Amino acid sequence: AQKVTQAQTEISVVEKEDVTLDCVYETRDTTYYLFWYKQPPSGELVFLIRRNSFDEQNEISGRYSWNFQKSTSSFNFTITASQVVDSAVYFCALSDDGSGGSNYKLTFGKGTLLTVNP
Amino acid sequence: EAGVTQSPTHLIKTRGQQVTLRCSPISGHTSVYWYQQALGLGLQFLLWYDEGEERNRGNFPPRFSGRQFPNYSSELNVNALELEDSALYLCASSFTGDPPYEQYFGPGTRLTVT
Repeated sequence: AQKVTQAQTEISVVEKEDVTLDCVYETRDTTYYLFWYKQPPSGELVFLIRRNSFDEQNEISGRYSWNFQKSTSSFNFTITASQVVDSAVYFCALSDDGSGGSNYKLTFGKGTLLTVNP
Repeated sequence: EAGVTQSPTHLIKTRGQQVTLRCSPISGHTSVYWYQQALGLGLQFLLWYDEGEERNRGNFPPRFSGRQFPNYSSELNVNALELEDSALYLCASSFTGDPPYEQYFGPGTRLTVT
């Protein structure tokens, strides 16, 4: 069974601080996909990134960066120079590759509530 | 391009009643997913529809059901509502195929059961 653990329930930082959100996953699949979503107070989940299990390169998109380490089954998300608009719940999710008659459901972590204070 | 839309936005129902939630996917997407986000339980997968067929369902009782129409829009039906069904119901859509495409979510329908 797949499982995603986001150990940090809540994080509070002051604007301009860097913050890292942790994500640890469990799966028996050799091919799988990892995702991060942002859920602002409005409630709509916003897709941030998808990464497959064969691509261990770190990715940077503006102030966002992701560190994928297969050896530790982690897919951490860092926001550099945080801003108030970054305040949201962030979810890490896992999907298998859809082969073997399985489906593409996302298994989500419990989420981390990030509050960025001015 | 229009995103995933859901209706209604909010709904208040009484225990034992039935409810229907609606979802329109992004144009071109053929897969529709339903998730339940209940307080304290996180986001849980409910159903996946693709090309009009139910492809898989999560660990929910049969009173949760749905369908997908030829235009790929979808309905989620919940019968015999219970208090614990109070939650935000999120619909997502994606292209279908390998590898799994990212799912794009709608704003959700907040259901309150009293």
